[in-house]
Parts: sequence; C-alpha cells; structure tokens
Amino acid sequence: AQTVTQSQPEMSVQEAETVTLSCTYDTSESDYYLFWYKQPPSRQMILVIRQEAYKQQNATENRFSVNFQKAAKSFSLKISDSQLGDAAMYFCAYRSFDGSEKLVFGKGMKLTVNP
Amino acid sequence: ETGVTQTPRHLVMGMTNKKSLKCEQHLGHNAMYWYKQSAKKPLELMFVYSLEERVENNSVPSRFSPECPNSSHLFLHLHTLQPEDSALYLCASSQGLAGWTGELFFGEGSRLTVL
Repeated sequence: AQTVTQSQPEMSVQEAETVTLSCTYDTSESDYYLFWYKQPPSRQMILVIRQEAYKQQNATENRFSVNFQKAAKSFSLKISDSQLGDAAMYFCAYRSFDGSEKLVFGKGMKLTVNP
Repeated sequence: ETGVTQTPRHLVMGMTNKKSLKCEQHLGHNAMYWYKQSAKKPLELMFVYSLEERVENNSVPSRFSPECPNSSHLFLHLHTLQPEDSALYLCASSQGLAGWTGELFFGEGSRLTVL
C-alpha cells in the first residue's frame, strides 16, 4: 500500500520569504498523481498544485512550485514571497493511476507566516 | 449557496445519542466522500459514493451509517459513538470517478465531540 510521509509537523516563515515543505512517499507504481492541499484555519481544504508522475517538468502555480524527484520519491512544495494568507495546514497526497477513488494523505504540516 | 456546505459545524453528543451530519454540494458533481480528520493523523477516507451508489467503505465501524439520497446530498448517521470518534468530519465532492484527476472540493467540516 502507498504511504505518504510529512516529517515536519510545523514550520514558520517570514512574510515575503521563501519556504519549502517536504513530502516523501512510498509506492511500487510507475504512474500516479501527487498533490498539495491547503487547509486554512476553519476554512475549506483546497487544492494548491498537482503533479503527474509521467511528466518530468515540475508543476508551477503562481508563487507555488514543486520539486518532484521521482527516483527519490520526494515531492516538496516551495512557496515564494510568502503571504499572511499562506498560513495553513498543508497536506501532501497521492493517487494511483489504477482508477482507485482514494487519495492517500500525509499527516499534514502547519505553516505559520510571521509579519 | 456555492461549493460544499456541511451542517452542523459543531456537534456535541453523548455516547447513546443518535445524530446526523449533512453535506450538500452545489457544484454539479456526481461523487461524494466522507473523510475523518484527527489531530496528527492522516485524513482517513470513510466512504465514497458515485452516482448515489456506495463504491468504497473503508472498514468503518457500523456505528457510522452513510446515506446518499441524490448526487447533491450526503449524510452520515451517527449512533452509539465512542469518545475516540471525536474528530473533524469532512465532506468532499468531485466531478466523477472516471477520468478523475484527484481534485476534491471540501466542505468546512463538522467538528464532532463525543462525551
């Protein structure tokens, strides 16, 4: 079974600076999706960014980018120019290409943004 | 109303009570999910419904009983719960399981406390 590990339970960053959130996963599959979801305090969890494993190019969405290292099974999220609104729980997630309806989530990481 | 709405937002119940959580989605999706979110643990998938048919039951105790009367509504009926069932229960929807890219649209959650 696939597992997702987020080893850092909490991080903090100064406003306008850059922070990198780490995620590793374990799978025997060659094709899959990886995701970062964001859950602000008392608000809905939303998708931040998605990466297909067959794509070599790292996904980017505005200030958010990933560093996808398939061989190392590593999937980190970089937030540039951090803003106060980036403060949230961040969850890394995995989904197989096998048609499974499941997303396998990590435990999450709490990001604090200091003004 | 837009997105995914969950009610109630907070619920306190005794171990012998019967209560229900309600979820409604206004996105035209045809798949709906219940997740359990406990502190310092990965999100746990409980149930998946596609086109009102249950397609996933992730070994959830029978004291949790889901109901999906139509593609817009999802309920989680609760009875004789245990204190360890206290958690945030998240409802989510997606466009469908066929060709699903993994994006889930979440509600804000129902915070359940079992005394």
